[in-house]
This record gives sequence, structure tokens and C-alpha cells, in this order.
Amino acid sequence: DAGVTQSPTHLIKTRGQQVTLRCSPKSGHDTVSWYQQALGQGPQFIFQYYEEEERQRGNFPDRFSGHQFPNYSSELNVNALLLGDSALYLCASSGGDGYTFGSGTRLTVV
Amino acid sequence: GENVEQHPSTLSVQEGDSAVIKCTYSDSASNYFPWYKQELGKGPQLIIDIRSNVGEKKDQRIAVTLNKTAKHFSLHITETQPEDSAVYFCAASKRSGGYQKVTFGTGTKLQVIP
Repeated sequence: DAGVTQSPTHLIKTRGQQVTLRCSPKSGHDTVSWYQQALGQGPQFIFQYYEEEERQRGNFPDRFSGHQFPNYSSELNVNALLLGDSALYLCASSGGDGYTFGSGTRLTVV
Repeated sequence: GENVEQHPSTLSVQEGDSAVIKCTYSDSASNYFPWYKQELGKGPQLIIDIRSNVGEKKDQRIAVTLNKTAKHFSLHITETQPEDSAVYFCAASKRSGGYQKVTFGTGTKLQVIP
């Protein structure tokens, strides 16, 4: 049984560019949440998708947007990248109370 | 909103000793408290959780305690082994508007010295 799959694993982008990160949830899970984890910090909630709609959002600017597809997979888009966007981006899926995390995408903005 | 504080930020123990990590939360509506272990280059992995109607839960060498009145919960690892070395995160969660809100602590880097 595949867990949460994220792609790509690593990414280097230039300041001002746009990036798309992808997530496939664990089988049986219908809710996808995205987190940003800066080095040495705990995960910070970006937003959560359920039934293809964003249903809650953390304190992140509109440059961060997302999408959920009918098969429950999800994308995180970040526009106008800043150096401070460099972080590990984690996707977590859930079907109840517990979360299952992917291994993350390490984004470096130069 | 919910605020979760976690202490200590780093913890070094000798192999075989016990390790304790403590968290406090602010929102009395939180009713689910998971603990995650994050190894280098990996995402957080759920290791144990506890619900607000339970005071203690054990799973082999790992135990979690919850004091709802004081709004704090703790992770206890006994007979630590080098493979326990990782960053541990506590979290507090509640249902709000039909969906789950999860707030993480800032993490504890545990080093088990052989």
C-alpha cells in the first residue's frame, strides 16, 4: 500500500519564478493538507483541500495556491518565489483524525 | 488560535536511559494529540496519539500522558536506542467546522548517545 507520494523530491528555482509541487494521498484518504517546514522548525499549515475545494487556510499569502483533483491528488503552486520560500514542503493526507505525511519536496530558491 | 509549546528543543540521553518531551496547548477544545517522529530527509511519521478522554497510552517503549486540566501532554521513551535519534513533534488537534485543525509544536531534537 503506497503511502503519500510527493514529487519532485528536490527542486531549485530562481527568485521570481513559479513552482508546482505534486502530492498523491494515501489510498483511502480524501483530504490533503500542505505544510511548509523551514529548517529547524515545525511544520506550518498552508491550506487543506477536501472535495476539490480549499476549506481552510493558514497565514500564507495569495502567492500560495492549490488544487485538488477528482482522484484526491493535489498540487501546491507558489508564484513570484522569494528567497524565504526555501523550505521543505510536506503533504499530508487524512481520512479521519490521523495524518500521514509524505517525505516532502525540498525547494531551494536562489 | 491554538498555540502549542514544546520543550526541550534539544535533548541528549545515554542509550538505555529514558527521554521525556513536554508540550502545552492553549485551546481547551483540542481533543486529539498525536506525536510524530521525523528522521533526516523524511516526512514526520505518527508514532503514538492520545485522545482527550484518555489520560495515558502505551505502545511498547513509548508512552504519552495527557493532563487536560493543565493543558499539557508528554511523550516518554524508555530504554532509548540510537535509532530513536530524530526530531519529535507534538501536535494538538480539534474538529472545527467539519474539518480537522492541527497545530504542531516546534520540535525536539533527540540524540541518543551509544
